[in-house]
Amino acid sequence: LAKTTQPISMDSYEGQEVNITCSHNNIATNDYITWYQQFPSQGPRFIIQGYKTKVTNEVASLFIPADRKSSTLSLPRVSLSDTAVYYCLVGDATGTASKLTFGTGTRLQVTL
Amino acid sequence: EAGVTQSPTHLIKTRGQQATLRCSPISGHTSVYWYQQALGLGLQFLLWYDEGEERNRGNFPPRFSGRQFPNYSSELNVNALELEDSALYLCASSLGGRGTGELFFGEGSRLTVL
Repeated sequence: LAKTTQPISMDSYEGQEVNITCSHNNIATNDYITWYQQFPSQGPRFIIQGYKTKVTNEVASLFIPADRKSSTLSLPRVSLSDTAVYYCLVGDATGTASKLTFGTGTRLQVTL
Repeated sequence: EAGVTQSPTHLIKTRGQQATLRCSPISGHTSVYWYQQALGLGLQFLLWYDEGEERNRGNFPPRFSGRQFPNYSSELNVNALELEDSALYLCASSLGGRGTGELFFGEGSRLTVL
């Protein structure tokens, strides 16, 4: 199973860039890396997904080194509304290899 | 386009009773996943259904069961409820083998066992 490890919590000031790293040493060839954001009492929401190198969308960037054993979610210029729990998920489309198991997540607190 | 919908939003039961939770996936999605999230904790994988069949199961007792219907909607049943079953139950759908595993979640069903 591609177990993931993330920092439990992070603090940031509004306007700063935040980088959250996830370790996934046992990632399989067919696995993608997906990050989700979750607010209290809501379902997680997709942020970004990648397989290798760098992916960027309108809200975040995802950096994946060549060995794919880790990944870093980068949130540019965070605001108070980015306070949430961020989950890294490693899995393939079939779900059998990893059971699409979420890690404990990183609780990001953004303050003024 | 409608997202993943779950019902009921809230459900209160007593110990020993049964609970049934329902999920409608996004149109065109064939895979449905169920997760349990106890208060303040992470998501625990429960069940995965694809094309009407159970494909994978998490480390939960047999009293947690479910099924997927021909229209790809799904239902989660929890028998002989225990206090520790109180949690937010999240359903997610995906394109199954045709996709990359990206999950789309509903807002969840909050189950309270008294």
